[in-house]
Amino acid sequence: GESVGLHLPTLSVQEGDNSIINCAYSNSASDYFIWYKQESGKGPQFIIDIRSNMDKRQGQRVTVLLNKTVKHLSLQIAATQPGDSAVYFCAENKGGSYIPTFGRGTSLIVHP
Amino acid sequence: NAGVTQTPKFQVLKTGQSMTLQCAQDMNHEYMSWYRQDPGMGLRLIHYSVGAGITDQGEVPNGYNVSRSTTEDFPLRLLSAAPSQTSVYFCASSYRVWDEQFFGPGTRLTVL
Repeated sequence: GESVGLHLPTLSVQEGDNSIINCAYSNSASDYFIWYKQESGKGPQFIIDIRSNMDKRQGQRVTVLLNKTVKHLSLQIAATQPGDSAVYFCAENKGGSYIPTFGRGTSLIVHP
Repeated sequence: NAGVTQTPKFQVLKTGQSMTLQCAQDMNHEYMSWYRQDPGMGLRLIHYSVGAGITDQGEVPNGYNVSRSTTEDFPLRLLSAAPSQTSVYFCASSYRVWDEQFFGPGTRLTVL
């Protein structure tokens, strides 16, 4: 989830565990959602997206779940690896808008 | 394909100086955008373009100008740098605004 202040929420897991990262989005009219991964010193990298007509979408080792009732998005990473260590953040966009809203992110630390 | 490229990687300016951050993409994407990333905050959209010759303001446009004379290039100009513009700047592109965005590696700007 999100929090105030400069420090990002942190999730620490052991290699091989499953990770779940959460995001509360702000606009009930948003209909397109994306998860990004950002490694230290690099630009954000697309992981997976989902549109509001879906509740779940799966990719390679990742699953995104969308709960429109409570405006909640989650990213599940299966069999987490050290290379998954990064900041993960969600973005939302409302159809017709060219201005997406990005969350502050969650730092995932994977211990070997 | 080089993807999205940005120059310079690092820049230090004095208050009042002007400069241009360069961004180019070779994927023939119509949508290009500039974001700034500040500690503890999500990415914020500065300006965007939906095609050559078309630009518009994002969430935080003040103090910045853009132009889009070609599909490939989308430079960001700081007119008179201020310490509040110290940030990491990312350029991104996508085929459409509601598609996967590809981000550049970023420019870390410090204004003294």
